[in-house]
Amino acid sequence: GAVVSQHPSRVICKSGTSVKIECRSLDFQATTMFWYRQFPKQSLMLMATSNEGSKATYEQGVEKDKFLINHASLTLSTLTVTSAHPEDSSFYICSAGQGMNTEAFFGQGTRLTVV
Amino acid sequence: LAKTTQPISMDSYEGQEVNITCSHNNIATNDYITWYQQFPSQGPRFIIQGYKTKVTNEVASLFIPADRKSSTLSLPRVSLSDTAVYYCRLTGGGNKLTFGTGTQLKVEL
Repeated sequence: GAVVSQHPSRVICKSGTSVKIECRSLDFQATTMFWYRQFPKQSLMLMATSNEGSKATYEQGVEKDKFLINHASLTLSTLTVTSAHPEDSSFYICSAGQGMNTEAFFGQGTRLTVV
Repeated sequence: LAKTTQPISMDSYEGQEVNITCSHNNIATNDYITWYQQFPSQGPRFIIQGYKTKVTNEVASLFIPADRKSSTLSLPRVSLSDTAVYYCRLTGGGNKLTFGTGTQLKVEL
């Protein structure tokens, strides 16, 4: 099946710094990638949808200036958490698909801890 | 916004068949029903997808009645390693790709 690779799997950063998370589709071209955030014992919450070559669409309540998404190629999307704070500590997960509503494959997730 | 409803948790024992039902009363004509499995600190893993009637693969079966307002994921003879959270989602149609609460399945000896 299709493989989506996410890197890093875990990262610890200091408050105020920025962290970049990469999401790669390894064996298919992903025109659309999705970014989720998951807090402990909660479900995944969609943060934004990124389409290759265009601006990402953010869900209500998600600050686009804080969570920068770049989808410059059909195999790579990046999420940058800018000026991270402890409340940004969470599990971030990406998924990729070949159309707006066709995502089915998820990355391994990135555990972000802001200290 | 189509919503899915699942039991919050289920308990079972090794070797038993487990059936998890998901309600989706507002399913759209072009929605598919997709089930995922998630272990702690991992991304969800695709299990099975269907549109109507029954779908079976090497790990599970999916039963969808004619009105498609619900679906049941069937896991035959579960083991301890099947302890995870299971999510059903409606995908492929015009619905926003959100996750419901999921069902925490706990399998014991």
